[in-house]
Amino acid sequence: DTGVSQDPRHKITKRGQNVTFRCDPISEHNRLYWYRQTLGQGPEFLTYFQNEAQLEKSRLLSDRFSAERPKGSFSTLEIQRTEQGDSAMYLCASSPNALAGDTQYFGPGTRLTVL
Amino acid sequence: AQTVTQSQPEMSVQEAETVTLSCTYDTSESDYYLFWYKQPPSRQMILVIRQEAYKQQNATENRFSVNFQKAAKSFSLKISDSQLGDAAMYFCAYRSPNTGNQFYFGTGTSLTVIP
Repeated sequence: DTGVSQDPRHKITKRGQNVTFRCDPISEHNRLYWYRQTLGQGPEFLTYFQNEAQLEKSRLLSDRFSAERPKGSFSTLEIQRTEQGDSAMYLCASSPNALAGDTQYFGPGTRLTVL
Repeated sequence: AQTVTQSQPEMSVQEAETVTLSCTYDTSESDYYLFWYKQPPSRQMILVIRQEAYKQQNATENRFSVNFQKAAKSFSLKISDSQLGDAAMYFCAYRSPNTGNQFYFGTGTSLTVIP
């Protein structure tokens, strides 16, 4: 078990460009979550998947954001036409099941800087 | 949405001493879980301790313990015998099956351990 991994760890892009991040959860974890964390704040929920199904999306997830988990394993988060306000740490987490008491295991995050 | 409040942006403690980090939350639910996560500088978040709301007994994990006051909606973290490796950002989080099992995080408390 190598834990949750995210790629890339850092991304610098120019405003208006598209970016895509990848998350590999712990194997056999059914639930996968995406969060956004800005400086001085706690992580804010963006969306989550139960296997390949995207079950909920936050109001923070504008139509420029799209997430997929095509085979119920890894997930991608794409941001189109990036804006400076998108600069943040994007965290991925996974958990074995859908139980509220389940621990979520976090990845190291992808830090996005939009110039 | 549930609100989690951490009123101490920064705390410091002398090595080997005890420190308490505060957390309050707002909910109308009766069934939920509370968590403390630790985020060391440039490293991923890891679970410190978890408390089920229906359990009256306070959770304990080695040097870490909580004081859970359900009626007061308070969930503080006590770190005993503080070590240099305890220096990190600490986030309090709330989770309920009635809110999609997503985490609601506080804004965090930055803990400094003084040698």
